[in-house]
Amino acid sequence: EAGVAQSPRYKIIEKRQSVAFWCNPISGHATLYWYQQILGQGPKLLIQFQNNGVVDDSQLPKDRFSAERLKGVDSTLKIQPAKLEDSAVYLCASSLGGLAAYNEQFFGPGTRLTVL
Amino acid sequence: EDKVVQSPLSLVVHEGDTVTLNCSYEVTNFRSLLWYKQEKKAPTFLFMLTSSGIEKKSGRLSSILDKKELFSILNITATQTGDSAIYLCAAASGGGSYIPTFGRGTSLIVHP
Repeated sequence: EAGVAQSPRYKIIEKRQSVAFWCNPISGHATLYWYQQILGQGPKLLIQFQNNGVVDDSQLPKDRFSAERLKGVDSTLKIQPAKLEDSAVYLCASSLGGLAAYNEQFFGPGTRLTVL
Repeated sequence: EDKVVQSPLSLVVHEGDTVTLNCSYEVTNFRSLLWYKQEKKAPTFLFMLTSSGIEKKSGRLSSILDKKELFSILNITATQTGDSAIYLCAAASGGGSYIPTFGRGTSLIVHP
């Protein structure tokens, strides 16, 4: 079974530039998560989708971050414009779904973003 | 604000030692406590705990939850160099969904 795919694996940009990350979850997984993990900290949930609907985006900085999952499968996360403090690893995870019960999350390899 | 605190932040031991990692949490609408192992980048799932006092085991790893005192421990016995990793604890909350809040993790280094 293929795992969660993410691209690119690494990205270096200058502040005020834009960047986009892509995630393809495990086939059949309804729930998709985007996390931001700053060096030395645990992952912070940015947004959670159930199919193509948003379940929670309370920690997403909506003035610069946006995410979509239009067809309920793959997803993109965009930062526009980037700031120095956005330097982090962006992790995508997916699970079977079913909001009433926890299903194991499977994480992708992450995208390491460096903002100069 | 939901909060998860892990201790110690780092730990260095020798092969064969036993270690105990701690996780305390304060979240609204608590649903379950999760442990992950993170090597390099992607965390991998270890345990999910929802009931107090019931130990979960997987090989040399075991974990237990105390919902009254709001903490969990992860034990690793007879540590091996392959156990070197960051161990993350997360408290999942939410009325109709699972919203996880992660701690900063405990960095475990096991020397041969």
